[in-house]
Amino acid sequence: SQKIEQNSEALNIQEGKTATLTCNYTNYSPAYLQWYRQDPGRGPVFLLLIRENEKEKRKERLKVTFDTTLKQSLFHITASQPADSATYLCALDGGGFKTIFGAGTRLFVKA
Amino acid sequence: DVKVTQSSRYLVKRTGEKVFLECVQDMDHENMFWYRQDPGLGLRLIYFSYDVKMKEKGDIPEGYSVSREKKERFSLILESASTNQTSMYLCASSLLGLAGRAYNEQFFGPGTRLTVL
Repeated sequence: SQKIEQNSEALNIQEGKTATLTCNYTNYSPAYLQWYRQDPGRGPVFLLLIRENEKEKRKERLKVTFDTTLKQSLFHITASQPADSATYLCALDGGGFKTIFGAGTRLFVKA
Repeated sequence: DVKVTQSSRYLVKRTGEKVFLECVQDMDHENMFWYRQDPGLGLRLIYFSYDVKMKEKGDIPEGYSVSREKKERFSLILESASTNQTSMYLCASSLLGLAGRAYNEQFFGPGTRLTVL
């Protein structure tokens, strides 16, 4: 079955730097990949979706790449701000109506 | 502003009790989902529904049941609560999607933190 691996260690970066988070999957290439943001005690909020035939997607300071050869997606936040501190979840097409979520990576941006 | 609401933010129940978690969405979405979230395990799908009165088991349905009598409401039922069901429960909804695939983003509720003593 499909498995998602996100770095369980928190990522600490300085304000203004680019944060890069990694999502690796182990099995079949998904039809799409999504990234969500989750703040403590709240539900996840959708950020971006990238499809299997797309290599890169951008939205404001966010950029997502999708490499089906490496079975990996990278999520970048440029010019990071303390308000970007949150947990970021990677999610993949699980077949049919299902989406499989990773455990997330915690990001801390220091002022 | 689109919204998914859950009946309780925090709930404390005793072992063996029957527990109802309610979820309501106001976006006219076809799909609704129930997940539980535990540290280090991510979101795990319990049940989902793609239409009124339709339901499909997710990855961890044991000990749970669901009900969808109206399009906007999806209920999760713990038939006999146990301590290993202590968790954060998240409801989500989404549009049906193309060709039966869940391409569309999911909108989540705020979650219910359930503690079973």
